[in-house]
Amino acid sequence: DAKTTQPPSMDCAEGRAANLPCNHSTISGNEYVYWYRQIHSQGPQYIIHGLKNNETNEMASLIITEDRKSSTLILPHATLRDTAVYYCIVRPAAGGKLIFGQGTELSVKP
Amino acid sequence: GAVVSQHPSWVICKSGTSVKIECRSLDFQATTMFWYRQFPKQSLMLMATSNEGSKATYEQGVEKDKFLINHASLTLSTLTVTSAHPEDSSFYICSARASPQLELFFGEGSRLTVL
Repeated sequence: DAKTTQPPSMDCAEGRAANLPCNHSTISGNEYVYWYRQIHSQGPQYIIHGLKNNETNEMASLIITEDRKSSTLILPHATLRDTAVYYCIVRPAAGGKLIFGQGTELSVKP
Repeated sequence: GAVVSQHPSWVICKSGTSVKIECRSLDFQATTMFWYRQFPKQSLMLMATSNEGSKATYEQGVEKDKFLINHASLTLSTLTVTSAHPEDSSFYICSARASPQLELFFGEGSRLTVL
């Protein structure tokens, strides 16, 4: 079973920041938080991952709370092409399979 | 990132026939590959994990005799849906990892429609 909880859907205005929350209250010390997104009828695309420090790359920022029980993915300037289902996944440090939850369907509107 | 390619992108077949879907890692050697299935409006469901040169490990509830997985080389894994039925119609997605790296790269998916 997925170890994360996400809101089923969110809307965001084009050009504004999209903040996608994720709860992972049972995360253990050696587990990372991964974010993927899936645009309709395509394979998932890797966005970012982190352990306990905040992370940033060219796509997004990941903010992890100090107790690691929740995190937020931030798309700083959402575009229409960011409309997708976003999945937050907890994964052991040793790697292995990704178990997908239901994700958040983000709709970016003009 | 690394490229994983699936073929075919879509396939339509008659009930009772078998269909093979290929998953290739184009620019790296994939020691482990994963196969997922996704029904409309649902999340990805992991079907099995395959390591090169060994038998696949299937998730609970997935019939290994119906979904045959072969990972005979470091760049190719195949999923064969045997005796396909309309309820097998789905979006099948593979992902690949090159040990010891942790990153998983996904294919574009293959849409199977069984008539």
